[in-house]
Amino acid sequence: DAKTTQPPSMDCAEGRAANLPCNHSTISGNEYVYWYRQIHSQGPQYIIHGLKNNETNEMASLIITEDRKSSTLILPHATLRDTAVYYCIVRDYSGGGADGLTFGKGTHLIIQP
Amino acid sequence: NAGVMQNPRHLVRRRGQEARLRCSPMKGHSHVYWYRQLPEEGLKFMVYLQKENIIDESGMPKERFSAEFPKEGPSILRIQQVVRGDSAAYFCASSQAPQANYGYTFGSGTRLTVV
Repeated sequence: DAKTTQPPSMDCAEGRAANLPCNHSTISGNEYVYWYRQIHSQGPQYIIHGLKNNETNEMASLIITEDRKSSTLILPHATLRDTAVYYCIVRDYSGGGADGLTFGKGTHLIIQP
Repeated sequence: NAGVMQNPRHLVRRRGQEARLRCSPMKGHSHVYWYRQLPEEGLKFMVYLQKENIIDESGMPKERFSAEFPKEGPSILRIQQVVRGDSAAYFCASSQAPQANYGYTFGSGTRLTVV
């Protein structure tokens, strides 16, 4: 079972910042927070990941609370092409053994023109 | 640098036939993961392979499904005697290493339809 909780859907106006929340209250000290998205009929796309500190790349920013029990993915200027299902995933960094990502139901983000 | 290549993109099989799905990881990636996505559902992990070894097959159905990643060539997911319930999108991902500070790169998937 997924260790994260996300709202099933969200709307955002084109050009505005999209803020996608994720709760991971049972996260352990050696687990990263990953975000992927899946645009309709395509393979999932890696967006960003982090452990404790906030992270930013060309696609998005990841804000992790100090207690690490929740995080927010921020798409700073959403476009219609950002309409997708966004998955928040926690994963142990130690590797080895069972190493597959556990996808939950994600948040269906709809960007409105 | 080509991404993860999966073929075929679409595959139609009659009930009882075999389906072979191929996945070529990104250059330099030696870890391959297969996922299945049933219609209107999320992705489910099936199997994790490293060259010539199955590391974790905890998500694979016990019968009819097998996977391999030979020393040379692509990884193959094989489904024998397909049934209608096998109709799904099958995605392959690859990574440089299993540690969590690497993201996975996914392919575009193979859509299997069993008629």
